Amino acid sequence: NAGVTQTPKFQVLKTGQSMTLQCAQDMNHEYMSWYRQDPGMGLRLIHYSVGAGITDQGEVPNGYNVSRSTTEDFPLRLLSAAPSQTSVYFCASRRPNKMSPLHFGNGTRLTVT
Amino acid sequence: DQQVKQNSPSLSVQEGRISILNCDYTNSMFDYFLWYKKYPAEGPTFLISISSIKDKNEDGRFTVFLNKSAKHLSLHIVPSQPGDSAVYFCAASYNQGGKLIFGQGTELSVKP
Repeated sequence: NAGVTQTPKFQVLKTGQSMTLQCAQDMNHEYMSWYRQDPGMGLRLIHYSVGAGITDQGEVPNGYNVSRSTTEDFPLRLLSAAPSQTSVYFCASRRPNKMSPLHFGNGTRLTVT
Repeated sequence: DQQVKQNSPSLSVQEGRISILNCDYTNSMFDYFLWYKKYPAEGPTFLISISSIKDKNEDGRFTVFLNKSAKHLSLHIVPSQPGDSAVYFCAASYNQGGKLIFGQGTELSVKP
């Protein structure tokens, strides 16, 4: 059982470039979310989705887009990368019950120069 | 505005002793709290949780205490082991879609 899979593991972008961080889960979880981890800031919620076709903003959504066309996939798009988006990004999923714990992927380390 | 705060960036403890990690929150609407553990180059993993209707939850060496009036929770690890060395995040949620808000994390180092 693969759980939550994130690709790529590492990425370097130049300012202004676009890219998509991929996230897939095979646990049939309806809830999926994206976090970024920065030193001294902990994990901050970017966007989340409670099911296919439904997305909502988290704490730090600016500069990021998401869509949820299937239960399994929840890609995160950076339309025009900025150095402030240098971070480690984590995707997570869980069952609909909010008391069900989040399962995290192993992260994507993104550097924007 | 940080709704969930872990004011100690790091903690060092001797093997066999108790580790106490603290977390404060500001939003009185939070009704479910969790602790996650994170090793380098891995994603966080769930450790233990507590509902706001309880003030204590225990799982083996790990106990979480909740003080609603003080808006404070703590994680106790007894006895601490070198394998417990990791970053610990507390998190809180409430009914708005059940989204989870995390604190900044505390890096625990357990020395043999």
